Amino acid sequence: SQQGEEDPQALSIQEGENATMNCSYKTSINNLQWYRQNSGRGLVHLILIRSNEREKHSGRLRVTLDTSKKSSSLLITASRAADTASYFCATDGIQGAQKLVFGQGTRLTINP
Amino acid sequence: KAGVTQTPRYLIKTRGQQVTLSCSPISGHRSVSWYQQTPGQGLQFLFEYFSETQRNKGNFPGRFSGRQFSNSRSEMNVSTLELGDSALYLCASREESDTQYFGPGTRLTVL
Repeated sequence: SQQGEEDPQALSIQEGENATMNCSYKTSINNLQWYRQNSGRGLVHLILIRSNEREKHSGRLRVTLDTSKKSSSLLITASRAADTASYFCATDGIQGAQKLVFGQGTRLTINP
Repeated sequence: KAGVTQTPRYLIKTRGQQVTLSCSPISGHRSVSWYQQTPGQGLQFLFEYFSETQRNKGNFPGRFSGRQFSNSRSEMNVSTLELGDSALYLCASREESDTQYFGPGTRLTVL
């Protein structure tokens, strides 16, 4: 079964707007990672946030982590058509199991 | 450094056959993991290899197996293919950090 639940399942916005995706998980984690996937291709790593971190930035990406609520959010600012993709959160267990447990993903569409 | 490479990229097999997929990790990465992605089940962990040893295994039947060679390259094998094995198979590698880097995947279609 999936560890993460992502919300919304699909999101469609206009170019230039901000996109926010949320992820909830069930068990304690070592870290949480966000990945992007274009049309059934490989996963591209976006950002990793550790369990002792609350916020992290990378370019137009901002990730927050709330371990008390077991949730994370990914914000993409000033969206571009090239950001159209599926976005997945993945958790790595606190025991360092070194296996990622993925959510079902959010399908993001940026309209020109 | 070159990224994770997977071969072949596409594969069509029939039920009952077996298949071997190959993954070459990023140079210097000793950990290789395999994932299966299907529309119904999403992304699911198959197994992880480190220094030629299987360290973790997901909840898949014994028809799914893998191995890792001394150069860290890895193969996974699926025997007695079923229609439900049709999926995108993704390989990922990592070094000491927690970040996993994924390859482009092998699209397996079972007819």
